[in-house]
Amino acid sequence: GAGVSQSPRYKVAKRGQDVALRCDPISGHVSLFWYQQALGQGPEFLTYFQNEAQLDKSGLPSDRFFAERPEGSVSTLKIQRTQQEDSAVYLCASSPTGSGGSYTQYFGPGTRLTVL
Amino acid sequence: AQSVTQLGSHVSVSEGALVLLRCNYSSSVPPYLFWYVQYPNQGLQLLLKYTSAATLVKGINGFEAEFKKSETSFHLTKPSAHMSDAAEYFCAVSPYGSSNTGKLIFGQGTTLQVKP
Repeated sequence: GAGVSQSPRYKVAKRGQDVALRCDPISGHVSLFWYQQALGQGPEFLTYFQNEAQLDKSGLPSDRFFAERPEGSVSTLKIQRTQQEDSAVYLCASSPTGSGGSYTQYFGPGTRLTVL
Repeated sequence: AQSVTQLGSHVSVSEGALVLLRCNYSSSVPPYLFWYVQYPNQGLQLLLKYTSAATLVKGINGFEAEFKKSETSFHLTKPSAHMSDAAEYFCAVSPYGSSNTGKLIFGQGTTLQVKP
């Protein structure tokens, strides 16, 4: 079946612009995660949804970052007034269950954001 | 706070040689442990995971890892490297516990180079 998809794959923004990154999880997956991967680093957790509820947003670096999943499927990560330090690959992952850390997360290919 | 340390940001082996990628975690309670592989411009793919069953875990593509509680380690091995194994490898943990949402904490990554 289809895996996790993300769009756009590449995004170039001028400093100060707003961007929106989309994630389509695997159909029926309850959990959805966003991670930020800076160049040469491991991914870092941003936020977590269980269905439409955002249960953990402890990793969002500032109030310029906002995520939503209104119908419990597709999710959008929005970054307002982008800064150069926001340049990174943004990864989305989904897993079939609503809780617990033993379940496999399935990752999308990521969106590479470059802020000029 | 939980953390993951991958010793060696870059490992180079000859084709056919043993692959050993090191991972240590910090936690008083053994977490769930994962190894992911990332090929260029692709998302992360699960190689294997430890979820408190057998301490020796076998994964895809001939990889395996052994959980050693006394050493807080979860090193990844493969007896014979193939050229196709060249990629970035990430060790990750998910804290154990009923309140755990399943978010992953990643190491910095190890780039595996395979020489002909």
